Amino acid sequence: NAGVMQNPRHLVRRRGQEARLRCSPMKGHSHVYWYRQLPEEGLKFMVYLQKENIIDESGMPKERFSAEFPKEGPSILRIQQVVRGDSAAYFCASSPLTTGYIEQFFGPGTRLTVL
Amino acid sequence: AQKITQTQPGMFVQEKEAVTLDCTYDTSDPSYGLFWYKQPSSGEMIFLIYQGSYDQQNATEGRYSLNFQKARKSANLVISASQLGDSAMYFCAMRDGTQGGSEKLVFGKGTKLTVNP
Repeated sequence: NAGVMQNPRHLVRRRGQEARLRCSPMKGHSHVYWYRQLPEEGLKFMVYLQKENIIDESGMPKERFSAEFPKEGPSILRIQQVVRGDSAAYFCASSPLTTGYIEQFFGPGTRLTVL
Repeated sequence: AQKITQTQPGMFVQEKEAVTLDCTYDTSDPSYGLFWYKQPSSGEMIFLIYQGSYDQQNATEGRYSLNFQKARKSANLVISASQLGDSAMYFCAMRDGTQGGSEKLVFGKGTKLTVNP
């Protein structure tokens, strides 16, 4: 059973460009979380999605950031008109559709560098 | 709001000795979960151990154990018999278990552990 896949692993963008980060959850997992880790910081929650639904986007910046998890295909975190402050590691995590103890399985992360 | 505090930015330990990494938390929810993750220099997040708020016993996973003191709201990680490969950042996290909550994780700032030979 493959783990959570994220691509690309490293992404370089110039200011003003768009960044698209992809996350394929573990097989059978229908819950996806996105977190951002700034240098020397812990991870901060951004958004929680289930298939075709955004459940909690309380951690998403109001502008330029969007996320989706379509019925088919990976979850996408999209950052429009990137700025230097967007440089960070972006982690995706997935969990199965069960209640109780819910471990989140993390992907390897995408390191975004904005020049 | 939920909060995780890790007061030790860095810790050093000699190989084969035990080390305790501190974590305190703040929540008003009766149901919550506490996690520890390891992040080596390669950057991935590795799950180590979990403690549920209603668990009667402290969690253990191999060389990792969690010293859960509910009244003091602390969930310290104990690593026994440290190995050089344990050198990494360690993050304590809490799951938001509120009714209708998203189960998102709230992370502390982390502790950098260095194991000396």
